[in-house]
Amino acid sequence: RKEVEQDPGPFNVPEGATVAFNCTYSNSASQSFFWYRQDCRKEPKLLMSVYSSGNEDGRFTAQLNRASQYISLLIRDSKLSDSATYLCVVNGYSSASKIIFGSGTRLSIRP
Amino acid sequence: ETGVTQSPTHLIKTRGQQVTLRCSSQSGHNTVSWYQQALGQGPQFIFQYYREEENGRGNFPPRFSGLQFPNYSSELNVNALELDDSALYLCASSLGADGYTFGSGTRLTVV
Repeated sequence: RKEVEQDPGPFNVPEGATVAFNCTYSNSASQSFFWYRQDCRKEPKLLMSVYSSGNEDGRFTAQLNRASQYISLLIRDSKLSDSATYLCVVNGYSSASKIIFGSGTRLSIRP
Repeated sequence: ETGVTQSPTHLIKTRGQQVTLRCSSQSGHNTVSWYQQALGQGPQFIFQYYREEENGRGNFPPRFSGLQFPNYSSELNVNALELDDSALYLCASSLGADGYTFGSGTRLTVV
């Protein structure tokens, strides 16, 4: 089982739609969780951290469910510029690995 | 505040050769992590350096090695290059465990 698993997509949704991604992680000792965004042939960039209480940043909402070991990202009123790959990232806090990336979910917003 | 810079941006090497990739960390960051990202995959953790010491290693063979210098810049060395080493190599710096900032990467092609 992979340490961090994501649905690879692609998700193809119309502009203005609401879209949600989930990500599961295997290490119950994981401490920190993030969503990164990666545009084609670019480096990943931090989108938002994910807190136990859930957090919101404009159209983006991230939630953490420690009991079920998953995190989610909700994008409301999607824009064309939201088209990218969204990477789920978990801080492993183990000696063998540090932050661990999921394989990413591709999102394509159509006009 | 300067970001993370990597050099070179692109590189073509022949199978069996050796390569050195370089990374200058963001000002104030003492931790550098290296990742390999194959096309269509999420970044895979290679290793991390904290204050010039290796501080965790992923599932990569010993021919992948690294260094961190007193100014916290870092090098990734790969010996005996194989075709499967062709990938985007990402360097990320951080202050401790959170808030990773990525460089734009080095795209390595092995022929």
